[in-house]
Amino acid sequence: EPEVTQTPSHQVTQMGQEVILRCVPISNHLYFYWYRQILGQKVEFLVSFYNNEISEKSEIFDDQFSVERPDGSNFTLKIRSTKLEDSAMYFCASSRLAGGKLTDTQYFGPGTRLTVL
Amino acid sequence: QKEVEQNSGPLSVPEGAIASLNCTYSDRVSQSFFWYRQYSGKSPELIMSIYSNGDKEDGRFTAQLNKASQYVSLLIRDSQPSDSATYLCAVREPGGSYIPTFGRGTSLIVHP
Repeated sequence: EPEVTQTPSHQVTQMGQEVILRCVPISNHLYFYWYRQILGQKVEFLVSFYNNEISEKSEIFDDQFSVERPDGSNFTLKIRSTKLEDSAMYFCASSRLAGGKLTDTQYFGPGTRLTVL
Repeated sequence: QKEVEQNSGPLSVPEGAIASLNCTYSDRVSQSFFWYRQYSGKSPELIMSIYSNGDKEDGRFTAQLNKASQYVSLLIRDSQPSDSATYLCAVREPGGSYIPTFGRGTSLIVHP
């Protein structure tokens, strides 16, 4: 069964450094999402992406964040200058269209654990 | 601010029992309701979605929705130790946004 994949599984970085988290969505999916989950907290939406542009973003997704689909398969989240409070699990998700409409089911990747020291 | 509230637990039930997980939401116009299962250190996995009042059954799982009370629940029959996980309730508004608001989750422990 097709799966969303994410790399790396764990990223450790120093405060102020840039990180790029990578995702490969399911191949026939067209909507892509990034969520984060701080340890012990709820899953929080960051951004959605469709047709090579941001569809929606939350208040969390400020200027230090950016997303890109550099090729036909990868979907990346860049955090420009990491802060301690960026430490969290970052989940990529994707969903498909059915009958021309976006489906509700989002398939989550396994996540990248980001630790900012 | 949309709120989705869940008791954090843990809810502890013996193997074979029915586990009942509850969720309330603040936005009366919410349209779609989801239950995700999240094992420790893993990603959320959708197990049930429900859109209209009443019950929806899928195997050992039953989702119940009461929009008037702004309440959605998940029943797990014949609970197994492998059901031990955190169960996340998520709610979505009608309209163009397909972004769900998640609750903090209820930790379920099924003991043999």
